[in-house]
Amino acid sequence: SQQGEEDPQALSIQEGENATMNCSYKTSINNLQWYRQNSGRGLVHLILIRSNEREKHSGRLRVTLDTSKKSSSLLITASRAADTASYFCATDGGLYGGSQGNLIFGKGTKLSVKP
Amino acid sequence: DGGITQSPKYLFRKEGQNVTLSCEQNLNHDAMYWYRQDPGQGLRLIYYSQIVNDFQKGDIAEGYSVSREKKESFPLTVTSAQKNPTAFYLCASSIGGGLSTDTQYFGPGTRLTVL
Repeated sequence: SQQGEEDPQALSIQEGENATMNCSYKTSINNLQWYRQNSGRGLVHLILIRSNEREKHSGRLRVTLDTSKKSSSLLITASRAADTASYFCATDGGLYGGSQGNLIFGKGTKLSVKP
Repeated sequence: DGGITQSPKYLFRKEGQNVTLSCEQNLNHDAMYWYRQDPGQGLRLIYYSQIVNDFQKGDIAEGYSVSREKKESFPLTVTSAQKNPTAFYLCASSIGGGLSTDTQYFGPGTRLTVL
């Protein structure tokens, strides 16, 4: 019952370029979160955006949310080789499951930043 | 990964054996979760627990069992009934209380391989 779908599945860029990843979801949500996963490791929380917010920034990260289109984007500016990882969006599911703090994760975008 | 540990990092199981994966957290979180991740896929929820001595099935609970006798610990047993257990298993915790804005904190994962 995956709710979020990231696009593209894989992205390869040069250091210094910007990376944009998109997430689409199916049902109403209360909030949407982005997580990062280095290869073979656990996930690390990056940013949370609430359904009544349209944009949020954290350092080189910029997240937008369009609830009318049921989509979100994660922009990483001035990318570095150390940004190489998989990025996942996760929703709380709103009215669809996801209650009690459970999250529904997408399949992720694999980002490769070449030096 | 800080605050939540998983062991072992790698685990090999013969067919027909039960194995138990350990997850411990010192974050004083009420909620804990177990996810399964297959190559190139997102996370799928196996079991979750919002409070000690209580747990609920997630999307793919068949062939798995859990216990939550202590707040800090949420072990997962992969039974012989699980037909395809080879995967990367991630444990997570969150403050809990049924908040939809909970951030989840992940352990480093256990990679289980069936021989």
